[in-house]
Amino acid sequence: DAGVTQSPTHLIKTRGQQVTLRCSPKSGHDTVSWYQQALGQGPQFIFQYYEEEERQRGNFPDRFSGHQFPNYSSELNVNALLLGDSALYLCASSPTGYTQYFGPGTRLTVL
Amino acid sequence: QQQVKQSPQSLIVQKGGISIINCAYENTAFDYFPWYQQFPGKGPALLIAIRPDVSEKKEGRFTISFNKSAKQFSLHIMDSQPGDSATYFCAAGSGGSNYKLTFGKGTLLTVNP
Repeated sequence: DAGVTQSPTHLIKTRGQQVTLRCSPKSGHDTVSWYQQALGQGPQFIFQYYEEEERQRGNFPDRFSGHQFPNYSSELNVNALLLGDSALYLCASSPTGYTQYFGPGTRLTVL
Repeated sequence: QQQVKQSPQSLIVQKGGISIINCAYENTAFDYFPWYQQFPGKGPALLIAIRPDVSEKKEGRFTISFNKSAKQFSLHIMDSQPGDSATYFCAAGSGGSNYKLTFGKGTLLTVNP
């Protein structure tokens, strides 16, 4: 049984660009949450998707948006990238939002 | 406002010793408290979790102790091994917020051989 997968592994962008990160949840999991982890910090909740709707949102600007597809996979989009957006972006899947299992993350570097 | 405070920031333990990491929370609505282990370059891996209706939960060498009145919980790693060297995060969530997790800042554990 494959765990949570994320792509790409690493990404380098320049300020002002847009980026799309992808996540495939564990089999049987219908809820996907996204977190941002800055270097040396704990993960910060961005938002959660369930039944293709954004169900919960953390304290992140509208530049951060997402989508969930009918097969429960999800995308995180960040527009107008800032240097401060450089971080490890983590996707976590869960059955109806309970125990969350994290993927390996996408390391985003903004130059 | 940091809702989950974790200490210590770093911890060095000898092989075979006990590692203890503490967390305190403020939001009384939290009803789910997991601990995650993270190795460099990897995503956090769930170690063990507890609900506030029990005061202790043990899985192998890992034990969570929970004190609801003090709003504190801790992770004990018995017989610590060099392979346990990693960063550990406590977190808290609530069903009312669809289990969005609020994390502590992490503890870097080093177990010396």
